[in-house]
Amino acid sequence: GNSVTQMEGPVTLSEEAFLTINCTYTATGYPSLFWYVQYPGEGLQLLLKATKADDKGSNKGFEATYRKETTSFHLEKGSVQVSDSAVYFCALRRRVTGNQFYFGTGTSLTVIP
Amino acid sequence: EAQVTQNPRYLITVTGKKLTVTCSQNMNHEYMSWYRQDPGLGLRQIYYSMNVEVTDKGDVPEGYKVSRKEKRNFPLILESPSPNQTSLYFCASSSPGLGVVFGPGTRLTVL
Repeated sequence: GNSVTQMEGPVTLSEEAFLTINCTYTATGYPSLFWYVQYPGEGLQLLLKATKADDKGSNKGFEATYRKETTSFHLEKGSVQVSDSAVYFCALRRRVTGNQFYFGTGTSLTVIP
Repeated sequence: EAQVTQNPRYLITVTGKKLTVTCSQNMNHEYMSWYRQDPGLGLRQIYYSMNVEVTDKGDVPEGYKVSRKEKRNFPLILESPSPNQTSLYFCASSSPGLGVVFGPGTRLTVL
């Protein structure tokens, strides 16, 4: 089947620390991969995406590389800010089923000054 | 502005009282879906629709109904709500090749 596994949170970091949130997936075929961010009290927003192996998605200082050999899409940021405090969701979309998405359970990040 | 709207944003109701949460998108997307978000379980898909009059069950469809009579609207219906349906609900829409656009969420409490 299709599934996404994220590292469990919560994660607490000091400002300017390096962030990694691990994400691995199981899927048949060649899915597209996404990271979504949910700020407190809001809906989910697309953060970045990658549609094929070795693609790197990036946005707002965050990066993730589509690694087919390890079925991973880890999210990284070199220097986090307090404003990055949010819940981060890894997701995959299988092309053969049109547009159905599968989400991970989410990882809560708190950045302290 | 391209967006997905949901109503109501907050709702407290009692067991067994039928309710509908509306969802509308203005982006002409074919694909729409409903998710519920619960602590420790992440987002779970309830129902999805690939186009008008085409709907299918997601991972947790029990206790819910949907309809897709028009492309822009995808209401979620709870015929007889129960306390285990207390949750945060998100409607979403997308087109092939695009990411998902989520609505702002509806927080439902069933007493």
